[in-house]
Amino acid sequence: AQSVTQPDIHITVSEGASLELRCNYSYGATPYLFWYVQSPGQGLQLLLKYFSGDTLVQGIKGFEAEFKRSQSSFNLRKPSVHWSDAAEYFCAVVSTSGTYKYIFGTGTRLKVLA
Amino acid sequence: ETGVTQTPRHLVMGMTNKKSLKCEQHLGHNAMYWYKQSAKKPLELMFVYSLEERVENNSVPSRFSPECPNSSHLFLHLHTLQPEDSALYLCASSQGVDSEQYFGPGTRLTVT
Repeated sequence: AQSVTQPDIHITVSEGASLELRCNYSYGATPYLFWYVQSPGQGLQLLLKYFSGDTLVQGIKGFEAEFKRSQSSFNLRKPSVHWSDAAEYFCAVVSTSGTYKYIFGTGTRLKVLA
Repeated sequence: ETGVTQTPRHLVMGMTNKKSLKCEQHLGHNAMYWYKQSAKKPLELMFVYSLEERVENNSVPSRFSPECPNSSHLFLHLHTLQPEDSALYLCASSQGVDSEQYFGPGTRLTVT
């Protein structure tokens, strides 16, 4: 079955430290891949997306993600975290073949220590 | 107004009430979605409309009834809800069903 896994439910980092949030997917073909961020009481906001081409994609707010086909992963990174990055982060995939299938991961809640 | 708007932002209703949630997108998109977000649960896709036709209904109970009168508006009609239906209901839109989605701020629903 198609699935998206975010193994880390909670992550805590110090302000200024680097960040990596993990996302693994299970699909027969290469899907379209997304990362979204949700601040408390808000809807989700797109950070970045991967459709094809360069496997390292840049997004907003200084985030980037790397698609690794061999590992079925699409991990989100930021070199230096700011206190305002504290939020919940969701990885999402959509199948590029067959019927519509858009699946979100369970989310990773990021806490930033001052 | 820009982006995706949702009204009301908060709603408290009894189990015998009938209410409706409204979503409007100002992005010219052709697909709209309803999601349910509960604490400690994954984001649940409820309904998908593409070109004003429903293309996905994820086994949602009949007490939730969607309506998409045009490509800019989406409603979720609620009746005879249960306390476990209390959640944040998010609306989203996209250009094509495989593109990035743009979300509204959500309606926080409490069923008493």
